[in-house]
Amino acid sequence: DTAVSQTPKYLVTQMGNDKSIKCEQNLGHDTMYWYKQDSKKFLKIMFSYNNKELIINETVPNRFSPKSPDKAHLNLHINSLELGDSAVYFCASSQDWSPATGEQYFGPGTRLTVT
Amino acid sequence: AQSVAQPEDQVNVAEGNPLTVKCTYSVSGNPYLFWYVQYPNRGLQFLLKYITGDNLVKGSYGFEAEFNKSQTSFHLKKPSALVSDSALYFCAVRVGSGNTGKLIFGQGTTLQVKP
Repeated sequence: DTAVSQTPKYLVTQMGNDKSIKCEQNLGHDTMYWYKQDSKKFLKIMFSYNNKELIINETVPNRFSPKSPDKAHLNLHINSLELGDSAVYFCASSQDWSPATGEQYFGPGTRLTVT
Repeated sequence: AQSVAQPEDQVNVAEGNPLTVKCTYSVSGNPYLFWYVQYPNRGLQFLLKYITGDNLVKGSYGFEAEFNKSQTSFHLKKPSALVSDSALYFCAVRVGSGNTGKLIFGQGTTLQVKP
């Protein structure tokens, strides 16, 4: 079983559309994250949730809205997509935020292309 | 500002030779340092971490990293490289504390191991 899964794997859409990416982890972890990896492979955190509560919101435009229906799921909804949103989006999870146990497990990524 | 830097975009090494991928950091307080690897079209995988204790940390797939406080470095090493080690490697440092802590990633170093 895949530990952290994301759907869809690829997403091609036009500017102005609204789209969602789903993430599920079956590791029993308390904390989940969304990262954005740009075309230069630079990786930056967007959000973190702990037990369904938003913890980190890293100055992401409010067109991006994460939702965590339960601690195993963290979805990302994006409104009014722009060309600059094209990137690979990674979901990740960790047992908790403590560095002693806090290595993160990443999903396979969702490649979003906005045309 | 707290940051992590990987000074080399790419490292080339022949199979069987030792490899080093460099990382330097700038944080206040004690650093919590991580290495992750990303294979093509995959999510990141945790390799190893330094929290406290021995300066030489051993991780997955035969990798190790040496923490050097005076040089603020955390270089990734392997005594004998394999072609299958070819991938993108990220150094990361945890900043912040408690549930607002987050990982800041370096820009990544592509490791190319040639037969």
